[in-house]
Parts: sequence; structure tokens; C-alpha cells
Amino acid sequence: KNEVEQSPQNLTAQEGEFITINCSYSVGISALHWLQQHPGGGIVSLFMLSSGKKKHGRLIATINIQEKHSSLHITASHPRDSAVYICAVRSYNTDKLIFGTGTRLQVFP
Amino acid sequence: EAGVAQSPRYKIIEKRQSVAFWCNPISGHATLYWYQQILGQGPKLLIQFQNNGVVDDSQLPKDRFSAERLKGVDSTLKIQPAKLEDSAVYLCASSGTIGTANTEAFFGQGTRLTVV
Repeated sequence: KNEVEQSPQNLTAQEGEFITINCSYSVGISALHWLQQHPGGGIVSLFMLSSGKKKHGRLIATINIQEKHSSLHITASHPRDSAVYICAVRSYNTDKLIFGTGTRLQVFP
Repeated sequence: EAGVAQSPRYKIIEKRQSVAFWCNPISGHATLYWYQQILGQGPKLLIQFQNNGVVDDSQLPKDRFSAERLKGVDSTLKIQPAKLEDSAVYLCASSGTIGTANTEAFFGQGTRLTVV
């Protein structure tokens, strides 16, 4: 079992839909990152969370430390949001960055 | 603030050739990571440095892969000789030390390697 699990693996949506991507982890963490990866491989950091909730534009990220779970929400989705979204946690004990396998999102006009 | 710099951005080589990737982390970041991301999979840790020392290289294929961070700043990752299955994106990330105020991880753009 992976230490970081994401769901769903693949997601398609119509433009304007509300999207949720989930991340569960099994290790103690000091921080959790939500990353966006476009074709070509480059990674952009969207959020770093250690508690609570953060919002940036149409993106919202939440984390529940007790339940070891985080969600990334996209409101009013747009085709340019199409990308792979990756959850990564920083292990409190080992300082490792552990990545989930990513969620491939496609938003159609 | 400048980000994590990686070069080259893309590389195509023939199998059995050698290749080297370079990473310059955020200034002052003690921890540097190299990851391999095969298409359709999540990134896999190859090696983790704390300053110029190796913290974890358990998943680094040491018969062909090597990495160094001599002065505790920038780092190089080398593959010699390359195999077809090494085709992947190689990602570098850096972060400050846990317990300090500078713990956010930053990620490079990655180097896409194609071995033909």
C-alpha cells in the first residue's frame, strides 16, 4: 500500500463543473503540497498546507490532520485546468517528500 | 525569489550513452531531492541530500546512476550507461530544514530524458 493515495486516478469534467481531488496519507507529516503538472513534465506548486484551508483564485485546498486527508477543489473548472494534480507529503520523521501517483484531470469545453 | 533551476530541459540520447543533469536549489536550502517520474506514474525518490551528505539513496540504481552535491549547494545526477527504461522526467526539489521557518519545498521544472 502506498503511503500517499490519491483518488480518482482519472477525472473528466465539463467546463464550469466543481471538481474535487482527494489525498490520503499514512505517515506523520510536517506539510502537504498540492502540485500541478502539465504535459512536458514541469511542476508548479499550488499549495503548501500544514493545517486548515487555503484558497487561491478558483482553487481551494483543505487538510484534516487527524484524519490524514486532504482535498483539492477547483470551482468553475476551465479547459486550461487540464493537467495532472499531485499530492506530496513531507514526512515528519524522515524529511522525505513522498508523492502520490497523481490525478489526471481533463476539462472539456 | 528565484526557483529551483534545472538543466537541460530536454535531452535525447541513445542507449548506452551517458547523460548528466544539473540542479541549483533555492539559496540556503539544506535538503535537495532527485526524483524519477516515469510516464503515468508518480515521482520516485532517487536520492536525498542534507547539505552535502546523502540521507537516502536506497532506490538509486547505483550500477548506473550517481549523484553528488559537493559543496552542499548545486547537484548533478548522472546516468552511465543509459537504458531505454531510464526514459523519464527527472525532477529536482529543495527545502529548508524541518524545525526552521523555511520548510516549504520548491520544485524544478524537470528534465525530460528520452533514451532511444
